[in-house]
Amino acid sequence: SSELTQDPAVSVALGQTVRITCQGDSLRTYYASWFQQKPGQAPVLVIFGENKRPSGISDRFSGTTSGNTASLTITGAQAEDEADYYCNSRDSSGNHHVVFGGGTKLTVL
Amino acid sequence: QVQLVQSGAEVKKPGASVKVSCKVSGYTFTELSMHWVRQAPGKGIEWMGGFDPEDHETIYAQSFQGRVTMTEDTSADTAYMELSSLRSEDTAVYYCATAGYDHWGQGTLVTVTS
Repeated sequence: SSELTQDPAVSVALGQTVRITCQGDSLRTYYASWFQQKPGQAPVLVIFGENKRPSGISDRFSGTTSGNTASLTITGAQAEDEADYYCNSRDSSGNHHVVFGGGTKLTVL
Repeated sequence: QVQLVQSGAEVKKPGASVKVSCKVSGYTFTELSMHWVRQAPGKGIEWMGGFDPEDHETIYAQSFQGRVTMTEDTSADTAYMELSSLRSEDTAVYYCATAGYDHWGQGTLVTVTS
């Protein structure tokens, strides 16, 4: 199986731009999806595929991939963006399994 | 609007089994592939398994092989996840989600305690 690695914590000043990264071999083959999770709530999909946003997700969220690294960028971070963010993708071993990153705690200062 | 509604919290003893349900509304159940993940208190998300429409079979994470069974009752539009031989480390919130992870259940807390 493969792994996805995320920084445990990232902070951003209110209104500034922040990038959250996710590294793993599977990202050379498959797109990452990104999820936002607030305390006591289920995760919410914010980015999938090649930088696609589900209906209702702010256009402040965008996604990119380069090599084995996927990035979630939040432009003009707001207080309500403070949350845990997780990436996931298909496992690169060809068994159709899914793997999640360990999560990044985003603090908006 | 797709909705996934899970069964309520459970408290189980070590060695017991738990079966969590996930009822789907707002979409044709048979057109969805369901996955299950869990999240231990204060920890990250762990994929448990789900239906793979490409191979038309349910696949399980290696760490749960032999202990987890995922089934569906299409007549009730409901998916189930049963985890056996419970141990304290299985204490977690268990979520069902559609395969694209665009729709999630509200989560079911399973507490394993003697």
